Amino acid sequence: GDSVTQMEGPVTLSEEAFLTINCTYTATGYPSLFWYVQYPGEGLQLLLKATKADDKGSNKGFEATYRKETTSFHLEKGSVQVSDSAVYFCALVPGYALNFGKGTSLLVTP
Amino acid sequence: EAGVAQSPRYKIIEKRQSVAFWCNPISGHATLYWYQQILGQGPKLLIQFQNNGVVDDSQLPKDRFSAERLKGVDSTLKIQPAKLEDSAVYLCASSFDGGKSYEQYFGPGTRLTVT
Repeated sequence: GDSVTQMEGPVTLSEEAFLTINCTYTATGYPSLFWYVQYPGEGLQLLLKATKADDKGSNKGFEATYRKETTSFHLEKGSVQVSDSAVYFCALVPGYALNFGKGTSLLVTP
Repeated sequence: EAGVAQSPRYKIIEKRQSVAFWCNPISGHATLYWYQQILGQGPKLLIQFQNNGVVDDSQLPKDRFSAERLKGVDSTLKIQPAKLEDSAVYLCASSFDGGKSYEQYFGPGTRLTVT
């Protein structure tokens, strides 16, 4: 079935470092792709999305590009902050509901 | 705009007991989802409602789990009897247009511990 695979964590970075969290997908069609974020003690929030190939989603300094040729949707940020510490989930929608990856925990230290 | 509300936030029960969770979606959102998030994993869809009808319950363990959405607004998810492996966070989410925009809004979740 349609699924996503994301890099295992935890990822620990110093403030202002460059962030990449890898996500690849398997799908029979052309799913929409998402990154959700879960801050400590809070619910899941949509971070960004892309609905077709070559689309770039962006929000709060984070970016991800829907790459059909590599079936990837890697999350990037040029300079992370301590407040970015959270768990990041890659997800796709093959039908109507979200299929999530296992999540990648990010810890940013001062 | 008020977000998705869930209660209780935490629940501890013994195995074989029953438990119920409640969700109130964002006003006007026709689609409601229940997800199960086991520690260290991503959320897994249990059931999806469109108004008060079930769209997808293929991953709901129907021998012990049940859910309803009366009047197309609030929803309850019940487990009876609970097993140890049901320990998880139960997330409710809603979306406005049946998921076509795929932007789902999540509640804070209910953390269930089965002992």
